[in-house]
Formats: sequence, structure tokens, C-alpha cells
Amino acid sequence: EPEVTQTPSHQVTQMGQEVILRCVPISNHLYFYWYRQILGQKVEFLVSFYNNEISEKSEIFDDQFSVERPDGSNFTLKIRSTKLEDSAMYFCASRGRTISNQPQHFGDGTRLSIL
Amino acid sequence: QKEVEQNSGPLSVPEGAIASLNCTYSDRGSQSFFWYRQYSGKSPELIMSIYSNGDKEDGRFTAQLNKASQYVSLLIRDSQPSDSATYLCAVNPSRDSWGKFQFGAGTQVVVTP
Repeated sequence: EPEVTQTPSHQVTQMGQEVILRCVPISNHLYFYWYRQILGQKVEFLVSFYNNEISEKSEIFDDQFSVERPDGSNFTLKIRSTKLEDSAMYFCASRGRTISNQPQHFGDGTRLSIL
Repeated sequence: QKEVEQNSGPLSVPEGAIASLNCTYSDRGSQSFFWYRQYSGKSPELIMSIYSNGDKEDGRFTAQLNKASQYVSLLIRDSQPSDSATYLCAVNPSRDSWGKFQFGAGTQVVVTP
């Protein structure tokens, strides 16, 4: 069964450094998402991406965050200058060709630890 | 602020019994509803989706939706120790959003042998 893959599984970074989280969505999916989950808290929406542009973003997704689909397969989340509070699990998800009534398929996540 | 609410638990269920999980949502225009299972430190895994009022059964799982009451539930029959996890209710809000999910905080289920 096709799946969403994320790399790395764990990233440790010094505060203030840039970090790039990578995702390969399911190949025929068109809608892509990033979520984060701080330890012990709920899964929070960050951003949705369709047709090579951001379609929606949350208030969490400030100027320090950016997303890109550089080559038609990878979908990346960049955090420009990491803060301690960015420590969380980051999940990439993708969704099929029609927007409504479709579940999102999640990758295994990247655990980001900011020191 | 549109919200999805779940009882946090833990919900302790004897092996073989029925676990009943509840979820309420505030956006009356919500279109579709999903239950995900999340083991500790892992990613959400889809269990069920439901779009219309009523019941939907899939194996040991039954989802129930009541849009008038803005309520969705999940029943797990013949609970097994492997069902011990956190169950997340996810809601696709109003039709004009780009399909983002709003998640509840999850209900932790503990199935005791």
C-alpha cells in the first residue's frame, strides 16, 4: 500500500539554526499538509499546499516557516531560525484527488528537538 | 474558534468489552469526520471515516454521526489489549476550507486483560 515517507525520523538542532523536514507524499495525491504535535498536546494544523502554492495556513505558521515542493515528489517544511518551542513531532500528510470526503494519510513523523 | 472536543480519559476497558468514545464539534458546517488511532510516539493511523448521519460499521469498529447534535462517536467491540492507544477525532470543517483537519486532544483507551 502506498505510504507517506518522512525524513529524518529525528532531528536535533541548536536554537537559531535552520532545519528542513522532508516528506514524500503518496504519488497520485494533490493536497499536502504539515501538522505538528507538541508532546502531550493535540495535533495542530500548520499549512496546506495545493497546485504549488499555500492554500491555507494557521497562525502558528509565521514568517519563520516555509514550504516547498521543489521537484514534484518531495514536500519540505523549513524553519528558518528555530526556537525551543518548535520542539515537537512534525507530521506530513497527503490527500487524494478530490478534496471532500477524503482521509488524510500521515507519515511516521519527524521528531524535532531544539537544544 | 472552531473546536473539536473529546474526553481525555484514560478510558479503562476490560478485554472483550465495548469501548465507547465521544467527540463533539463546534462548526455546524463540518462535512466529514474521521477517527484515527495513535500509539505513543507514533503517527495517526486512520480507522474510520463517516460523512452521513447514522452508523457505519467496519469490523469491530462502529462510527456514529449526528450532525444535528454535532456529535460523532466510535464504538470498539470485543476490545483487545492491542486497542490500547489514543483515539483522535478529526473533523474536516466547512466546505470552503482546503481540507485541513481539526483534531481533538484524543481519548486514551487502556484495555486491561
